[in-house]
Amino acid sequence: QAGLTQPPSVSKGLRQTATLTCTGNSNNVGNQGAAWLQQHQGHPPKLLSYRNNNRPSGISERFSASRSGNTASLTITGLQPEDEADYYCSAWDRSLSAWVFGGGTKLTVL
Amino acid sequence: EVQLVESGGGLVQPGGSLRLSCAASGFTFSNYWMNWVRQAPGKGLEWVANIKQDGSEKYYVDSVKGRFTISRDNAKNSLYLQMNSLRAEDMAVYYCVGHLDYWGQGTLVTVSS
Repeated sequence: QAGLTQPPSVSKGLRQTATLTCTGNSNNVGNQGAAWLQQHQGHPPKLLSYRNNNRPSGISERFSASRSGNTASLTITGLQPEDEADYYCSAWDRSLSAWVFGGGTKLTVL
Repeated sequence: EVQLVESGGGLVQPGGSLRLSCAASGFTFSNYWMNWVRQAPGKGLEWVANIKQDGSEKYYVDSVKGRFTISRDNAKNSLYLQMNSLRAEDMAVYYCVGHLDYWGQGTLVTVSS
């Protein structure tokens, strides 16, 4: 099952803004948007947003998500050292009847 | 506090079977689609299977169809994954996931002779 496409790595400086992208198609990202998850080494993933920009309680407003067509984006403002992690996007694919994930983006905060 | 606690992982030979369990608490289990998501060592996340709130719908990733079976018991707030005909490529940490909101700590499945 084809997955979503994410850049393998992104590097930004402290207090800068990072934008991570996730490209799918009209059956997944383009249909209902994407969810974004953050995973620190050795820990399970944590949901940051779902269906584009709905944040669970407790998630910082520094994390915001959006979608344009078949591409979803996660913008992280005011980068902090603790934001260094792997970030995954995911979407339900209506043609596959399956959740699909991106390969993940490793964010490095310089 | 939401808790998802997986169990049942371990070492199994290729072709063998394992049954994973997940005990849920702290949220209304019967209201959630439940998923199993796995992560091979050093790799990304891969969705494995999910099951509707009442168990009436189940979906699987192609690579496990016919070998894995997902089930749930809402009376026990529990999710299960029966894994048969295990292969080396099934080796991973398996996470129990409530929709995408709630994640367990995972249980490691090692497939090796």
